[in-house]
Formats: sequence, structure tokens, C-alpha cells
Amino acid sequence: DAKTTQPNSMESNEEEPVHLPCNHSTISGTDYIHWYRQLPSQGPEYVIHGLTSNVNNRMASLAIAEDRKSSTLILHRATLRDAAVYYCILRDGHIYTGTASKLTFGTGTRLQVTL
Amino acid sequence: ETGVTQSPTHLIKTRGQQVTLRCSSQSGHNTVSWYQQALGQGPQFIFQYYREEENGRGNFPPRFSGLQFPNYSSELNVNALELDDSALYLCASSSTALVGNEQFFGPGTRLTVL
Repeated sequence: DAKTTQPNSMESNEEEPVHLPCNHSTISGTDYIHWYRQLPSQGPEYVIHGLTSNVNNRMASLAIAEDRKSSTLILHRATLRDAAVYYCILRDGHIYTGTASKLTFGTGTRLQVTL
Repeated sequence: ETGVTQSPTHLIKTRGQQVTLRCSSQSGHNTVSWYQQALGQGPQFIFQYYREEENGRGNFPPRFSGLQFPNYSSELNVNALELDDSALYLCASSSTALVGNEQFFGPGTRLTVL
């Protein structure tokens, strides 16, 4: 399984932008970069995914390095509700079922948001 | 659109017993995956069901088994419970028709084995 490296924890002030980094130096050409987050006492929640180009959705933005060996999840204005564990996951985009389609979670980055 | 639901929310069993956990997939999803999440760890893949058959398994012993029904709901069965089986069990549904194949998780069942 392709591996990702994330900081164990980060802190942010409310209303400020947050940049959550992820390194994935062994990424293959068919791997998509997925981000999920897990709020306290809940199941993981899909945030965003991308392949090569930067992506935006209502929750966040994903900035992908040109060599694809790293990426950054950007929360534009952190709120207390964004306090969660954020997981960066690589997943083969050509495979939709079976073991290879599983999500391989690491320990993620625990984001704390303070007033 | 109804999300993924799981039952029960909490469960306490003793070592050696058997347990069945249930999951209702999101409407229109044809694939369900089960994950085990120990305290302080990320979820670990147990297995996936597609078209009512097991379609991939992680590093879990055969006493972990499952079913997927024609309405795409699913069960996870664990026999001969061990203390280390205490964890949050998550199910996630997805559709092979979804670009990106994102998975939608339920809130989980917290199993405690005494």
C-alpha cells in the first residue's frame, strides 16, 4: 500500500486558514489523493480528492504539488466544528471494488481549533 | 437521501460469545466495506462486499465474516470474541458508479468485550 506521512497534530485559531500537509513520495501514476476527516464520536467523512490539478469544493481546497509527492488540504476559515482527525489517503483510481479499493488509514493529523 | 445507518450503537459482550452488527447502506450504493477502529488508531479494513459476495479481505481471521443482502444492507459477524476485538466497527457504502468512488461511513457500533 502506498504510504502517506502527516504531522500528528496541528492547532489553529478560529476564522483563520489552516494548511494541513501530507507527503506521499511513493505515489504512483494512478493514485488519487483522498482526504477524509473524523469528528469526535463519528465515522469518517469524505472531504475532497484529486489527481493532478488543484481542487475546490464547499468544504475545502486541495493543492497538489507539481511532482505529486505532496499535497495540502486547505480549510479557508477554520471553525470549532472543523476540529477533527484529518486523514490523507492514496487510492488507485482505476479500481472500484476489492481489496485494492480499500481506504488505508494512518493515524492522521489531529486538528485543534481554538477561539 | 438516507445516509448510512448502523445498529446497535453500543454493545457489551463477554469473551467467547458471538456478535452480529448491522449496516444499512446509502440508497443506490452497491458496495459495502467494514472497518475496525481501535482506540487512538485509524480504521483498519476488514472486508468488502459487492453483489452479495465477499470481494476483498484485510488481515482479519475467518471468525470475522459477513453478509450482504439484495437490498445492499449488510451484517458483520464475529465469533469467539476476544478482548482485542473491543473497538469501533464502521461500515461504509459506496457505488461503483461514483467517480472517485468515495465511501460514506456510518456512525459505527462501539463493541466492548469483557
